Amino acid sequence: GENVEQHPSTLSVQEGDSAVIKCTYSDSASNYFPWYKQELGKRPQLIIDIRSNVGEKKDQRIAVTLNKTAKHFSLHITETQPEDSAVYFCAAVKADKLIFGTGTRLQVFP
Amino acid sequence: DAGVIQSPRHEVTEMGQEVTLRCKPISGHNSLFWYRQTMMRGLELLIYFNNNVPIDDSGMPEDRFSAKMPNASFSTLKIQPSEPRDSAVYFCASTTAGEQFFGPGTRLTVL
Repeated sequence: GENVEQHPSTLSVQEGDSAVIKCTYSDSASNYFPWYKQELGKRPQLIIDIRSNVGEKKDQRIAVTLNKTAKHFSLHITETQPEDSAVYFCAAVKADKLIFGTGTRLQVFP
Repeated sequence: DAGVIQSPRHEVTEMGQEVTLRCKPISGHNSLFWYRQTMMRGLELLIYFNNNVPIDDSGMPEDRFSAKMPNASFSTLKIQPSEPRDSAVYFCASTTAGEQFFGPGTRLTVL
């Protein structure tokens, strides 16, 4: 089955710096890669996603890149703000089945 | 739409008791998912349904866990008997294609 690895497990940055989170997946048939943000005590919420026919997608300060050949994808957050502090999960999806990475706890210090 | 609805939001029970968690997916969504989240194991997919039919239950930990979806607007996850190691947050999510929308979760504590 699908296996998703996510790194780093924790990430601390200064406000205004960039943050990068990387994931790898094992099943080449996975074709959809969402990223979820989970604040403490709350539900995961989608922040950006990318499909396998696209190499990069950007939404304001957030961007995601996908390398299908290498089976890895990354989340980039620029100009980080304290409210970006949360746990971020990558996921790989095949036929609706979503497998999450282990999560990255991002702390943005003012 | 109110989004995915889960009940109860919190459940405290004693070991050996039966626990039933409930989920109402977003109207029109044809896939429903049950996840369990713990610090140790992260977010785990337990089971998912498509058009009310269980598609993959390979994540269900053991026979004490069972899930049903009698109709398009309701699903249950039952643990019988419950054990302290079942303590976790259980999320339900639904989708029609692509983005999965999560419910608020049920925080289960088994004493």
